[in-house]
Amino acid sequence: DIVMTQSPDSLAVSLGQRATINCKSSQSVLYSSNNKNYLGWYQQKPGQPPKLLIYWASTRESGVPDRFSGSGSGTDFTLTISSLQAEDVAVYYCQQYYSTPYTFGQGTKLEIK
Amino acid sequence: EVQLVESGGGLVKPGGSLRLSCIGSGFTFSNAWMNWVRQAPGKGLEWVGRIKSKPDGGTIDHAASVKGRFTISRDDSKNMVYLQMNSLNTEDTAVYYCATGHYCDFWGQGTQVTVSS
Repeated sequence: DIVMTQSPDSLAVSLGQRATINCKSSQSVLYSSNNKNYLGWYQQKPGQPPKLLIYWASTRESGVPDRFSGSGSGTDFTLTISSLQAEDVAVYYCQQYYSTPYTFGQGTKLEIK
Repeated sequence: EVQLVESGGGLVKPGGSLRLSCIGSGFTFSNAWMNWVRQAPGKGLEWVGRIKSKPDGGTIDHAASVKGRFTISRDDSKNMVYLQMNSLNTEDTAVYYCATGHYCDFWGQGTQVTVSS
C-alpha cells in the first residue's frame, strides 16, 4: 500500500498570510504513460463532508478560489493557500488514487493565529 | 446539480450486518466510478472501496480492513451503489460517505454507522 504522510499535523497562520501543507507518498504516484500525478487535495470543515480542491496534483476544481494551488510531482506535493481567509479554517487531506487502496494522508488542521 | 444521498446507517450489535445505499443524480451514473469512504469519530478519512463503471470493467476493490466482510455493488438502473457490511465490529463505527469519480469529486453528506452492544 502507498502510505501518505502529511506535515505538519497542525498549522496556525495569520489572516492574509501564506499557508503551506506538505504531503509525501511512500512511492511515486506519477503515471509515466500520461505524465499525471494521481494526487488530490480535500478540505473538510466541521460537520461537513470533504470537498475536492485540487486533482492531478495541480488542477483546481471548478469554483475553488485561486488562492488555493497545488504543486509537486512523484512523491512530494504541496498545497498552498496564498492569502489565508477566515473561511479556510478546516482540516486538509491529500489522497493518492494511483493504486488501490486509495490512501489518504492523516490530515492537517489549519487554524488562524 | 450533482447530488449523492446515503442511507441505511444505524445502530447495530457487533457481529451484525447493515446495507448502506447511495443514490446519485445530476450526472450520468452508469459512467461514474463510485467510492465509499469512512470517518471514525474524531479521526481522518479512510477509503473503504471503489466500484468502476461497467464500461470500464466494473472492477471492485476494497481496503484490507474490510475485505471479506464488506462488498460494494451497483444498480445502474436505479442510480444506486451499495455497501453490504457483514461481521461488523466496533472499529467499523464511522460516518460512511459515498463519492463519485476516480478522484472523489462529489461527496454525499454521509450516514452514521454505530456498532455497539
